[in-house]
Amino acid sequence: GQNIDQPTEMTATEGAIVQINCTYQTSGFNGLFWYQQHAGEAPTFLSYNVLDGLEEKGRFSSFLSRSKGYSYLLLKELQMKDSASYLCAVRDRRGNNDMRFGAGTRLTVKP
Amino acid sequence: DVKVTQSSRYLVKRTGEKVFLECVQDMDHENMFWYRQDPGLGLRLIYFSYDVKMKEKGDIPEGYSVSREKKERFSLILESASTNQTSMYLCVTSGSDTEAFFGQGTRLTVV
Repeated sequence: GQNIDQPTEMTATEGAIVQINCTYQTSGFNGLFWYQQHAGEAPTFLSYNVLDGLEEKGRFSSFLSRSKGYSYLLLKELQMKDSASYLCAVRDRRGNNDMRFGAGTRLTVKP
Repeated sequence: DVKVTQSSRYLVKRTGEKVFLECVQDMDHENMFWYRQDPGLGLRLIYFSYDVKMKEKGDIPEGYSVSREKKERFSLILESASTNQTSMYLCVTSGSDTEAFFGQGTRLTVV
């Protein structure tokens, strides 16, 4: 099975940097995903890591360490519109590529 | 443009009714998933399918069944709706090496 843990809530200030951590346990790791979800909307894709290291996409970066079962999402130059829930998801090859999500981290950006 | 379409955005049903939630994708993806999302519990996997006529139980299959007669369509069935099945239902699709794509969600209320 998969256990995916991430903090429940975080608060940060506009213009700052915030790091959202995700730890996981899985038997057949086949990729880690980060999604953003605004209230009342479906999640939207942010990033995908399958190899160790940092993937950068504009203000958002995602890091993966497979040996540690650890990932983080880094948001720079925070904007008010970044207030949302951020979901970590892991795909498991041994489970026929099923995908399991963490409970999400609710980020509040304050002025 | 990628499309994952759920048949209804909002649905109200009575206790004991049989409910069908339909999901259609146009990306020729093998994998299709049904999740429910509840406050504080995150996304929980109900069922998923990795091929036509194939299905696998997720973490909370009780009270639900699924049908995948064609590759593009994955249906979630509530055999006898109950109030504890009031939730947001999300259909998700993915290829073996792609990110997951979400439908717009169906907010089901059982009264």
